[in-house]
Amino acid sequence: AQSVAQPEDQVNVAEGNPLTVKCTYSVSGNPYLFWYVQYPNRGLQFLLKYITGDNLVKGSYGFEAEFNKSQTSFHLKKPSALVSDSALYFCAVRDRQNAGNMLTFGGGTRLMVKP
Amino acid sequence: AAGVIQSPRHLIKEKRETATLKCYPIPRHDTVYWYQQGPGQDPQFLISFYEKMQSDKGSIPDRFSAQQFSDYHSELNMSSLELGDSALYFCASSFDRVGGKNIQYFGAGTRLSVL
Repeated sequence: AQSVAQPEDQVNVAEGNPLTVKCTYSVSGNPYLFWYVQYPNRGLQFLLKYITGDNLVKGSYGFEAEFNKSQTSFHLKKPSALVSDSALYFCAVRDRQNAGNMLTFGGGTRLMVKP
Repeated sequence: AAGVIQSPRHLIKEKRETATLKCYPIPRHDTVYWYQQGPGQDPQFLISFYEKMQSDKGSIPDRFSAQQFSDYHSELNMSSLELGDSALYFCASSFDRVGGKNIQYFGAGTRLSVL
C-alpha cells in the first residue's frame, strides 16, 4: 500500500521569506512523487515531479523539491514566497511497480503568504 | 495548450437520482483517471482507463460506473445518489505509453451537490 503524509495543515510565511511544505511517503517499491497546487474552486495544477535522477527537482513558478530516500521525504520549497503562492498544496505518490498508475494524495497543506 | 475538459462544472441532484459526468482528456493522452474530493479532503482515486480498458480500480462505489469511449472521452455514471456523494469530481489524463511523462493533468472538476 502507498501513503502520503503532510504533517502541517497550514503553513504561514511572510512574503519574501523562504517556504517549506513538508511531505513524507510510504511505498513498497520505488516512488514517483508529485506536487500539485489547488486554488479555490479550481482543479489541481501540476507543479513538479520526481521520477529518477537528481534529488533536487525544479518545477513551475520557482518551486523546487528535494527527494530524500533515507528519510522518505519530498519537501516542497521556494526561496522567496509571494502572496500569490497562497493556495492548497498536495503531495502525491505513485508506486511505479505495485499500484498501477493511481495517485495517492496527502491531506493537503494550506499555504498562507502574508504581505 | 489544450487541457482536460470536464462537464458540467456544477450539478445539483436530489437523493436517489442519477448523474453523468463527462471528461475530455488532453489530445493524444491515452489514460483517464477519476478522483473524488470531499469537502476539506484530499482527492481519492476512483477508477482509471488505459486505451479504453479499465486499468485500475480504487474506492469507487458499486453504484458508480465509468467507461472510456473510442474518442477517448470518459463518462462517470452515478446512480442512486446519496448525500455523501456531494463532492468535487476530478478527471485527469496522462500519456502513459513508453516515453510518456507520467504526469496526470487535471480538469477543473465537476462540483456535485446532492440535496
